[in-house]
Amino acid sequence: AQSVAQPEDQVNVAEGNPLTVKCTYSVSGNPYLFWYVQYPNRGLQFLLKYITGDNLVKGSYGFEAEFNKSQTSFHLKKPSALVSDSALYFCAVRDRFGSGTLTFGKGTMLLVSP
Amino acid sequence: ETGVTQTPRHLVMGMTNKKSLKCEQHLGHNAMYWYKQSAKKPLELMFVYNFKEQTENNSVPSRFSPECPNSSHLFLHLHTLQPEDSALYLCASSQDHRTDRSNQPQHFGDGTRLSIL
Repeated sequence: AQSVAQPEDQVNVAEGNPLTVKCTYSVSGNPYLFWYVQYPNRGLQFLLKYITGDNLVKGSYGFEAEFNKSQTSFHLKKPSALVSDSALYFCAVRDRFGSGTLTFGKGTMLLVSP
Repeated sequence: ETGVTQTPRHLVMGMTNKKSLKCEQHLGHNAMYWYKQSAKKPLELMFVYNFKEQTENNSVPSRFSPECPNSSHLFLHLHTLQPEDSALYLCASSQDHRTDRSNQPQHFGDGTRLSIL
């Protein structure tokens, strides 16, 4: 079985400050990891993914994520937050040798204040 | 522009009505998905089609009936729904659902907001 935990329902950060949205995962094998963002009244948009190789993955809109195998984490980060980054963020995992199904976390609302 | 188009964007229906949700993808993908998104709950996978064949049905009640006539189109037929079925229904597509190609991201439509009276 595979699972994803996003321990924070909401993260608040001031514009210009760094942000981190946390994600931990559980899979029986090696993971494929993804981050998605959802703006109001929209579907999920792909931000970045980890497949293999470099533990620091860079994605869209200045976001990056760090894969940590020993801590089974894949935290999303950005050095300087923008008000327009305010949205709902989802972490997702897929077992590389599993059924192919993507399992999502429950989401973390990011609120960036001016 | 997402490449995955869902219609209608909003739907209000009574419990005895029959309606259908439509999804179309213009990305040349071979896998299509239906998800249910309810407030304060994780995204729930409902159905998966890979090369027009249904490969997953996550114990979805029979009042939801999917149809995939080709790799570009996916429908969700609704009949005798319950109030708890009110949610955002998201369609997604990806290159291929098979494990050896499952490192590609899924692309989502903007969803149909369904309200059951």
